Amino acid sequence: GDKVKQSPSALSLQEGTNSALRCNFSIAATTVQWFLQNPRGSLMNLFYLVPGTKENGRLKSAFDSKESYSTLHIRDAQLEDSGTYFCAAEVLSNYNVLYFGSGTKLTVEP
Amino acid sequence: DPKIIQKPKYLVAVTGSEKILICEQYLGHNAMYWYRQSAKKPLEFMFSYSYQKLMDNQTASSRFQPQSSKKNHLDLQITALKPDDSATYFCASSPDRGLGEQYFGPGTRLTVL
Repeated sequence: GDKVKQSPSALSLQEGTNSALRCNFSIAATTVQWFLQNPRGSLMNLFYLVPGTKENGRLKSAFDSKESYSTLHIRDAQLEDSGTYFCAAEVLSNYNVLYFGSGTKLTVEP
Repeated sequence: DPKIIQKPKYLVAVTGSEKILICEQYLGHNAMYWYRQSAKKPLEFMFSYSYQKLMDNQTASSRFQPQSSKKNHLDLQITALKPDDSATYFCASSPDRGLGEQYFGPGTRLTVL
């Protein structure tokens, strides 16, 4: 089965609203990264997390290794937030490798 | 200035041919990686290198061969190309193996006809 399950697979938001994306892990994740893939295909780093939380502007992310999940909260969504969000996890037994989720395609509408 | 350069951006190849995908990073990192993103699957890890040595290989096929001529270079040679190899190939790097976040290049989009 999927090592990293992302939900929802797609999401449509009105500008100015808030939402949360989630990743559940069936592997023993030690670190988590969140990326935004823009329409041109480039992967932009959003967060790198050990267990805990981080905030950057309108984005906030949390990683709970005991409960095996991570979340990404988007506050006051803007048009430029549109794209596909990926989470990826590293495991202690193979710490070279990032295991990616299938992504959440976010569309922010005016 | 881009910190991770991948060349070419787009590549079209015929079945059975051979291609080399180029990756150079200017982040001063010691570890480099290749990932593949196809329409059917999430981003998948392929290889990792640390100080120019292969550390992990999760690619089943020997048709995929990474090549590291310099510490900041990690090219990917693909032989006997098949249509199923069509995907975007991303190069990434991190400060050291298993240490710190990974940064990704812009990708090479390969189409095999």
